[in-house]
Amino acid sequence: DTAVSQTPKYLVTQMGNDKSIKCEQNLGHDTMYWYKQDSKKFLKIMFSYNNKELIINETVPNRFSPKSPDKAHLNLHINSLELGDSAVYFCASHRQGSGTGYQETQYFGPGTRLLVL
Amino acid sequence: AQKVTQAQTEISVVEKEDVTLDCVYETRDTTYYLFWYKQPPSGELVFLIRRNSFDEQNEISGRYSWNFQKSTSSFNFTITASQVVDSAVYFCALSEAEGGKLIFGQGTELSVKP
Repeated sequence: DTAVSQTPKYLVTQMGNDKSIKCEQNLGHDTMYWYKQDSKKFLKIMFSYNNKELIINETVPNRFSPKSPDKAHLNLHINSLELGDSAVYFCASHRQGSGTGYQETQYFGPGTRLLVL
Repeated sequence: AQKVTQAQTEISVVEKEDVTLDCVYETRDTTYYLFWYKQPPSGELVFLIRRNSFDEQNEISGRYSWNFQKSTSSFNFTITASQVVDSAVYFCALSEAEGGKLIFGQGTELSVKP
């Protein structure tokens, strides 16, 4: 069974379009993330949700809007796509753990390769 | 500020050679976590190891070993007797205790030739 899944795996679209990427985890984790990997392979955090609440927003343009309908899902909607949005987007999840400062390992989805033409 | 530096952008070795991937981190937190992930050519991110800041014991898992040295803020990764299947990009990452976001190094692309 896939632990963290993302759809679609590939997404090719035109500039100016709006698109969504879906993420689901079946690990019972309470925290989910979106990361962006650029063409130079650099990975950077975009958003983090804990129990459906936004806890991290790393100065991402407001064209990007994450939505968490429940603990197991974190979707990413992108408006007015630009060429620079072309990247691989990874969803991840982990359990924050009990007690202050404890956290467990983050597991990643397979990635969504977005190409904006 | 938190930062992870992997100074080696690319490493090329011949099969059966040992290779060490360097990772140096910066953080002001006293509690933090360090990770290594592998990204093979297929693109997924595969978890390899997690270490917390209170556990400086080195770890060995098969041909993989990790050396955590708080005194030099380093968390290096050694592959013994490398194999072609080890070819991948390897990422070192740091996470503070609260929040949990991973801060990645730039990655080291390892190429193991037969």
